[in-house]
Amino acid sequence: KAGVTQTPRYLIKTRGQQVTLSCSPISGHRSVSWYQQTPGQGLQFLFEYFSETQRNKGNFPGRFSGRQFSNSRSEMNVSTLELGDSALYLCASSPGVGVNEQYFGPGTRLTVT
Amino acid sequence: GESVGLHLPTLSVQEGDNSIINCAYSNSASDYFIWYKQESGKGPQFIIDIRSNMDKRQGQRVTVLLNKTVKHLSLQIAATQPGDSAVYFCAENRGKNAGNMLTFGGGTRLMVKP
Repeated sequence: KAGVTQTPRYLIKTRGQQVTLSCSPISGHRSVSWYQQTPGQGLQFLFEYFSETQRNKGNFPGRFSGRQFSNSRSEMNVSTLELGDSALYLCASSPGVGVNEQYFGPGTRLTVT
Repeated sequence: GESVGLHLPTLSVQEGDNSIINCAYSNSASDYFIWYKQESGKGPQFIIDIRSNMDKRQGQRVTVLLNKTVKHLSLQIAATQPGDSAVYFCAENRGKNAGNMLTFGGGTRLMVKP
């Protein structure tokens, strides 16, 4: 089985721009979660989607949003980028509700200049 | 490579020795725990998990111990190899209302000396 794939792998944006990141979960997995990883804050939960519905949301401003499609693929969007949004954005997939094993993709490295 | 933490605690072991990585958690409602390994430039890799109704679980060369009384989790790696060098994270799921949301510890860097 192919693992979790994330595109693009690297991205450079300017302050004020917006960005969309994509995640394709493991085939058959229906839950997708997003995390932000920075040296200062570590790994922090952004949001989780299951069956196209957001189940949980972390403590991030409204500039961070996401969605999930009927094929379980997910996107996250960050609008009005700030320098502090520079991070590794990780997507994790899980079979579904109540099954907590999660597998991470390689991440998208976002640099905001 | 990625810098996953500027001031991570570091455990340095000799190749072939056993390693023990510790993690404290704070939420007594947490009922599921995972250990991840993250190598430079890669996403976290699932190692082993344990539910709160267990106190020990073994995998290939790894053992996770859970002490709910003191809210402590440990990962034991037997016969540590150079390929085990990485940052290790524990993560907890804080109960059914948390869905699949994981709360991560700060990480421990494991360095294996050949």
